[in-house]
Amino acid sequence: KAGVTQTPRYLIKTRGQQVTLSCSPISGHRSVSWYQQTPGQGLQFLFEYFSETQRNKGNFPGRFSGRQFSNSRSEMNVSTLELGDSALYLCASSLDRGVRNEQFFGPGTRLTVL
Amino acid sequence: EDKVVQSPLSLVVHEGDTVTLNCSYEVTNFRSLLWYKQEKKAPTFLFMLTSSGIEKKSGRLSSILDKKELSSILNITATQTGDSAIYLCAVRSPQAGTALIFGKGTTLSVSS
Repeated sequence: KAGVTQTPRYLIKTRGQQVTLSCSPISGHRSVSWYQQTPGQGLQFLFEYFSETQRNKGNFPGRFSGRQFSNSRSEMNVSTLELGDSALYLCASSLDRGVRNEQFFGPGTRLTVL
Repeated sequence: EDKVVQSPLSLVVHEGDTVTLNCSYEVTNFRSLLWYKQEKKAPTFLFMLTSSGIEKKSGRLSSILDKKELSSILNITATQTGDSAIYLCAVRSPQAGTALIFGKGTTLSVSS
């Protein structure tokens, strides 16, 4: 089975621009979660999608948004980029929303904001 | 607020040593604790623990959960240079849905 894939792997943007990141979960997985990883804050939860609906959201400003498609693929969007948005953005998929399900991570998208 | 604390933050050992990494948590209605290994890429899943006292093992790695002490340990025996990585501990509670609450991680460096 193919793992979680994320595109693009690297991205460089300037302040004020917006960016869209994509995540394809493991085949059959219906839950997709997004995390931001920075050296100072570690891994922080952004949001989770299941059946095309946002089910859970972390403490991030409204500039961060996402969506999920009927094939479970997910995108996240960051508008009006700030320097502090530079981070590794990780997507994780799991079979469903059961708390005993493992989450499997993709390779991440490294976003640099100049 | 839910919190996960890992210790030590970093560790340097020699090949062949045994290491113990610690994870303590404060979450409302704990459900599960997960360990991940992260090299220069995606965190890879190691273990998920839900019941206290049950040891999970995979080769040289093992982990135990202590729900009374709200903590878990990850042991690595006979360390190898390939074990060098960041080890992440995460917990899940119903309040967070399926979201994982991560600790800052322990950076392990194994020298030959």
